[in-house]
Amino acid sequence: SQTIHQWPATLVQPVGSPLSLECTVEGTSNPNLYWYRQAAGRGLQLLFYSVGIGQISSEVPQNLSASRPQDRQFILSSKKLLLSDSGFYLCAWSVDGTPAKNIQYFGAGTRLSVL
Amino acid sequence: AQTVTQSQPEMSVQEAETVTLSCTYDTSESDYYLFWYKQPPSRQMILVIRQEAYKQQNATENRFSVNFQKAAKSFSLKISDSQLGDAAMYFCAKTGANNLFFGTGTRLTVIP
Repeated sequence: SQTIHQWPATLVQPVGSPLSLECTVEGTSNPNLYWYRQAAGRGLQLLFYSVGIGQISSEVPQNLSASRPQDRQFILSSKKLLLSDSGFYLCAWSVDGTPAKNIQYFGAGTRLSVL
Repeated sequence: AQTVTQSQPEMSVQEAETVTLSCTYDTSESDYYLFWYKQPPSRQMILVIRQEAYKQQNATENRFSVNFQKAAKSFSLKISDSQLGDAAMYFCAKTGANNLFFGTGTRLTVIP
């Protein structure tokens, strides 16, 4: 069966520090991968998605970047965190194919607090 | 722009009773998918039920069922025989070209 791992679960970082959140998927090949952010009292907003190694699409211009160095690894990064980067970050995957047609399965999320 | 609207920020239901959560959406597409996700206090998003827009039959998963009205662009979730474990945030979502569009969620409280 497929599983998705996301870490860390909680992170407290000072303003201006770098960020690296990691997500890995097991039990499937060439998944579509996604990074979402959930602000308090709101739904999820797509940040990045990837349909293959090295292929990253950004949906929202911001202080963050994403990379996919391996087939089942998706990393969310920042060189310098801003206060506004605080939030709950969720990684998700779906089976290979058109993203619009597939169920997305989510990781447990990372609570990021920038102080 | 595609939008998903959940007009009920909070709902409550007595244990063992039935509750319906509302969702409407805006789209010009004819082929898409709709989902209800549950987010318990652990914050992990869990898929509850999926509806394919080209199917007229409403999806059902055990105690969870939907009322899909394509012309009205409405997609409500009915939870029957509510249990304490059903307490959570519920998000309606619709597929876009490359992602899901989410509503702002409905917080469901189950009263013992």
